[in-house]
Amino acid sequence: QKEVEQNSGPLSVPEGAIASLNCTYSDRGSQSFFWYRQYSGKSPELIMSIYSNGDKEDGRFTAQLNKASQYVSLLIRDSQPSDSATYLCAVNDHQAGTALIFGKGTTLSVSS
Amino acid sequence: ETGVTQTPRHLVMGMTNKKSLKCEQHLGHNAMYWYKQSAKKPLELMFVYSLEERVENNSVPSRFSPECPNSSHLFLHLHTLQPEDSALYLCASSQGPQSYNEQFFGPGTRLTVL
Repeated sequence: QKEVEQNSGPLSVPEGAIASLNCTYSDRGSQSFFWYRQYSGKSPELIMSIYSNGDKEDGRFTAQLNKASQYVSLLIRDSQPSDSATYLCAVNDHQAGTALIFGKGTTLSVSS
Repeated sequence: ETGVTQTPRHLVMGMTNKKSLKCEQHLGHNAMYWYKQSAKKPLELMFVYSLEERVENNSVPSRFSPECPNSSHLFLHLHTLQPEDSALYLCASSQGPQSYNEQFFGPGTRLTVL
């Protein structure tokens, strides 16, 4: 059973701090990795995709990928109360061409 | 309309009812998906369509019946559902069905089965 593991949280950080969200996955053949943000009662919103080892930055968000360690993370700099949401990690199932495997998500709370 | 739209946004139905969920994407994508999101569980992929052909069916009970009449529209027909089918049903689309393609979600239909 292929799995994506995330700490459910809640992860609490003060406004302006760096929030670090982590994800590990079991499928060694995975090549595509995605982070989604989901506000309570809303649908997931894609915020980052990463395919190569290393860092990828987009505004206040940085995704980090280490395929050897089967680890992907999301850093949110200068955290704002509006960043309070559940963050979902998704990883492709390399044996099923269409499928993404989602984690249960980490809930982030940013206090002002 | 932009992005991915879904109707209805909320649906309450009895176990003997028949209803349909509708999804429309305005992104020019070729692949569409149905997901189920239940409380405390990860998103579960139900069906994948690529260019109107079903390419994946993840052992979903036959009381869920998908239909994809063209690359912009996707339906999920529901009949004789069970209370445990109550969940948020999400439609998504992507450029193609390969899993490296970014998937974009609609707002979802919150389904309650009485």
